Amino acid sequence: EPEVTQTPSHQVTQMGQEVILRCVPISNHLYFYWYRQILGQKVEFLVSFYNNEISEKSEIFDDQFSVERPDGSNFTLKIRSTKLEDSAMYFCASSASGGPNTGELFFGEGSRLTVL
Amino acid sequence: GESVGLHLPTLSVQEGDNSIINCAYSNSASDYFIWYKQESGKGPQFIIDIRSNMDKRQGQRVTVLLNKTVKHLSLQIAATQPGDSAVYFCAENVDAGNMLTFGGGTRLMVKP
Repeated sequence: EPEVTQTPSHQVTQMGQEVILRCVPISNHLYFYWYRQILGQKVEFLVSFYNNEISEKSEIFDDQFSVERPDGSNFTLKIRSTKLEDSAMYFCASSASGGPNTGELFFGEGSRLTVL
Repeated sequence: GESVGLHLPTLSVQEGDNSIINCAYSNSASDYFIWYKQESGKGPQFIIDIRSNMDKRQGQRVTVLLNKTVKHLSLQIAATQPGDSAVYFCAENVDAGNMLTFGGGTRLMVKP
């Protein structure tokens, strides 16, 4: 069964360092998302991406964050200068034919980011 | 990958019993709802969805009920099994937008 894969599974970094989280969406999918889950809190939407541009972003997705689809398979989330409060589990998701209401949104297993 | 916060509601049931997990949503404009299951170390996994023009939808061993009047959503799991143990989240979507808004999650523990 096709799946969304994420790397690394866990990254530990020092505050102020740049971090890149990588995702390989399902191969025929066109819509890509990043969500995060701070320990003990809800899963929160960060950004959606379609046709090589951001289609929507939340207030969390400030100038420290960026996304990129550098080639035909990867979708990355970059945090330019990490803060302690960026520590969370980051989930990538993808869908084939539109937004979440198509019922076809698939999540990866997440990348845990720990900022010290 | 699970939400393990101190305040996560927990439902403990005996294997074979039915489970009911509840969710209250706040946005009356939400018109699409999903239940996700999240097992330890994994991402959210789609269980069942429902649109606002329906009040009930059934899947395999699962039923979702939607009460728009009181903005309440429930997930019923029939004959709960140990493999159902996980954290369950409801999520809502407005007008086919790009964003899902997740609820706080409920931990289901199934006792053999």
